[in-house]
Parts: sequence; structure tokens; C-alpha cells
Amino acid sequence: DTAVSQTPKYLVTQMGNDKSIKCEQNLGHDTMYWYKQDSKKFLKIMFSYNNKELIINETVPNRFSPKSPDKAHLNLHINSLELGDSAVYFCASSQDRGNEQFFGPGTRLTVL
Amino acid sequence: KQEVTQIPAALSVPEGENLVLNCSFTDSAIYNLQWFRQDPGKGLTSLLLIQSSQREQTSGRLNASLDKSSGRSTLYIAASQPGDSATYLCALWARRGSTLGRLYFGRGTQLTVWP
Repeated sequence: DTAVSQTPKYLVTQMGNDKSIKCEQNLGHDTMYWYKQDSKKFLKIMFSYNNKELIINETVPNRFSPKSPDKAHLNLHINSLELGDSAVYFCASSQDRGNEQFFGPGTRLTVL
Repeated sequence: KQEVTQIPAALSVPEGENLVLNCSFTDSAIYNLQWFRQDPGKGLTSLLLIQSSQREQTSGRLNASLDKSSGRSTLYIAASQPGDSATYLCALWARRGSTLGRLYFGRGTQLTVWP
């Protein structure tokens, strides 16, 4: 009965590699988000999709590309990984923008 | 520009105490404010959401208040328990005229409740 799920939970990879993180929500929500939480625990929004349409795109390197194949899924693809990309990435969803948000368990990415 | 501040950054209290966590914001043009808790190594769990037109919300031992004029929200935890130990974050959606603006997060207050 998981509401927002992410895979994988842990991801360890070398600099320069390309990796993807997947997110799925079974809440029937229209809006999904990607957040980055750095080593100091500060949470920063990266992207938001509403009904498969990109509505928030914060200042994020274009090596990061979100993809939403349908309302229930929002994947994050990262090209040419750098050391500074190491962080915990959270997916979240809400009924619509501005509504109560529900978070996934996070994906801890470590770039070596 | 909206800024969201949570002070103190860390708080340690004995079990049973009633406590208040603070969230301050610089611009009163907000759409709503949400309180979360984050356990170590876990995602964020939604606690309470207060709409701009509301003054407070309650859930069990938790009560969140909102005072837009003073730019402040408080999360009141009654009869604290060791299981309440976590980091508590507030987040708000700003209002831009009649539309929704940006989302802002505070840096959180790390709460430790000891037996």
C-alpha cells in the first residue's frame, strides 16, 4: 500500500556515468516533484510536473532531465554524474500544485 | 524575496514536556504552510497543512498555528515522547498575486526527546 515509491534506495556510481531514479505514486495525484537534500539536510525543489507537463524547473544543470511517461510516474535521469551530485533525492506528489505533499523514502546517490 | 527560518536548529527536551517549534517567514503573501517530520534516513512525513485563511490545525498531540501578520507559524507538541524525536520542517507555498508562486522550505529543527 506504498503511496510514493522510489527505486533504487541506494545508488553508488562513478563520476561521468549516467543514471536514472524512478518514482511512482498510487495516490491518483496530478502533480509530482523531485527534490534534492544535500549533506546539510537542506531540501531544494528541482522539478515539478502537473499532468505530465513540466511546471517548475529550478536552476538545475541540464544534465538532469525529468521524464513523466504518465501521471503516476516521474523519473529523473542524470547524465555525466559529478561529485557534487551526491545527495539524497526525494520524489513527492500532491493532488495539485499547492496541495498537501506526500514524499517517497528517498534515493541516496553517492558519486565516487 | 521570501525567506523561511526555523529556530532553534536543534532542541533537546525530557519526555513529557510540552514544546513549541517555530517557523518564521518574511513575506505574508502565502498560499499555505505545511509541517513535516523527517526521521533519520527516511522521507518526509506530512503532519499538518494550514491554508492561508486558517489560524490553526490539530492532529492528536500536534497543533499548528499560523499568524500571517507576524510571519510566524508554530508547531505545538503536547506531552512529548521519545518517538517524537525527528527533524521537523516547515514549507510554504508563496502567493504571487492571485496565483501560486514558489515553494520554500525551512532548514528544520532537530528535536531529541530523552526518556
